[in-house]
Amino acid sequence: RKEVEQDPGPFNVPEGATVAFNCTYSNSASQSFFWYRQDCRKEPKLLMSVYSSGNEDGRFTAQLNRASQYISLLIRDSKLSDSATYLCVVNTRNRDDKIIFGKGTRLHILP
Amino acid sequence: DVKVTQSSRYLVKRTGEKVFLECVQDMDHENMFWYRQDPGLGLRLIYFSYDVKMKEKGDIPEGYSVSREKKERFSLILESASTNQTSMYLCASSAPTGSYNEQFFGPGTRLTVL
Repeated sequence: RKEVEQDPGPFNVPEGATVAFNCTYSNSASQSFFWYRQDCRKEPKLLMSVYSSGNEDGRFTAQLNRASQYISLLIRDSKLSDSATYLCVVNTRNRDDKIIFGKGTRLHILP
Repeated sequence: DVKVTQSSRYLVKRTGEKVFLECVQDMDHENMFWYRQDPGLGLRLIYFSYDVKMKEKGDIPEGYSVSREKKERFSLILESASTNQTSMYLCASSAPTGSYNEQFFGPGTRLTVL
């Protein structure tokens, strides 16, 4: 099983719809989880952290399921500007403090 | 506003040349990283550094070296560039382990090796 795995997409979603994608991780010792957003030809930027209890930031909701070892990102009322690649990031706070990026899920919001 | 800058946005070099990619951050971060990003392969960690003059190999260090003489600057060196090193190179920095460790990325350097 890959350390961090995401569906590469693309997800083609009409504007205004709700879209969700997951990211699975293999190391049960993983402690910190993040979603980054990367626009075309730009650098990745932090979208939001993922907390154990789940968290929401406007139209975005992130959740963590430790039992099944996945995190999710839900986008409600999607906008054209949400079109981007979403990277899942997992940090295992052991001796190596390893930070692992998923390969990303491409999202296209259609007008 | 936090900032990570990279010396070049685009770079074209010839096979066998020695290539220097510079990265500077103004956030007084201890941690700095070099990644390369390729289609279908995602971000892959080349080297990282948790302190001045300290370096650790990432997942794909072969063909690369790094230098960190000052806290704010982390350089990636391609000793003898090869065509398979054509890629987007991204530098990042973050606060120390144990604290909120968001990584801040530079704009990237697209390197083409002919």
